[in-house]
Amino acid sequence: ETGVTQTPRHLVMGMTNKKSLKCEQHLGHNAMYWYKQSAKKPLELMFVYSLEERVENNSVPSRFSPECPNSSHLFLHLHTLQPEDSALYLCASSQDFGLASYEQYFGPGTRLTVT
Amino acid sequence: GQSLEQPSEVTAVEGAIVQINCTYQTSGFYGLSWYQQHDGGAPTFLSYNGLDGLEETGRFSSFLSRSDSYGYLLLQELQMKDSASYFCAVREDDSWGKFQFGAGTQVVVTP
Repeated sequence: ETGVTQTPRHLVMGMTNKKSLKCEQHLGHNAMYWYKQSAKKPLELMFVYSLEERVENNSVPSRFSPECPNSSHLFLHLHTLQPEDSALYLCASSQDFGLASYEQYFGPGTRLTVT
Repeated sequence: GQSLEQPSEVTAVEGAIVQINCTYQTSGFYGLSWYQQHDGGAPTFLSYNGLDGLEETGRFSSFLSRSDSYGYLLLQELQMKDSASYFCAVREDDSWGKFQFGAGTQVVVTP
């Protein structure tokens, strides 16, 4: 148990559906991240938030839309996805962006399958 | 281009020692971290090197040589529960948490 929870754990959606992934951290951290993990590939950083403000959008397609209503919650809204978007989506948090905050705490991920 | 290279798979027997190498080529360098991920689980932090040298945490040690753009994770006294994927990650900036990850090394521990 890392203190970061994600729901749902598994999601199957059609290309025309709209769904949302939810992440919640119980650690009092100020920074939150979305990563995409595909088989045999490095984790891809998608979005970074600091104190509810988006810091980075790493050239992610607009069919992925993040939302951070407060420092404990992070959402990833999905619409009109493609089959190649099937992957494990991981949420992470860190204390802040200081160099001493080198440890990221990951949630268990949402396994997304786009049909 | 920017990348982190690590072996895709390593197999070893219980009680053995395994070294997972990681070479990196990134736009910036502010430290090398290691994570463990069991099948179906969350990546969990193992170790961090901000400066050259060896860091020891129980059975696991991590080493960094910034001049060689190289580091490794050493797993000693292997146990079956150490079967997992291990990722190296480089922090590329000092202003926000931009980390670049390797593709991971699958460690298989056999009896």
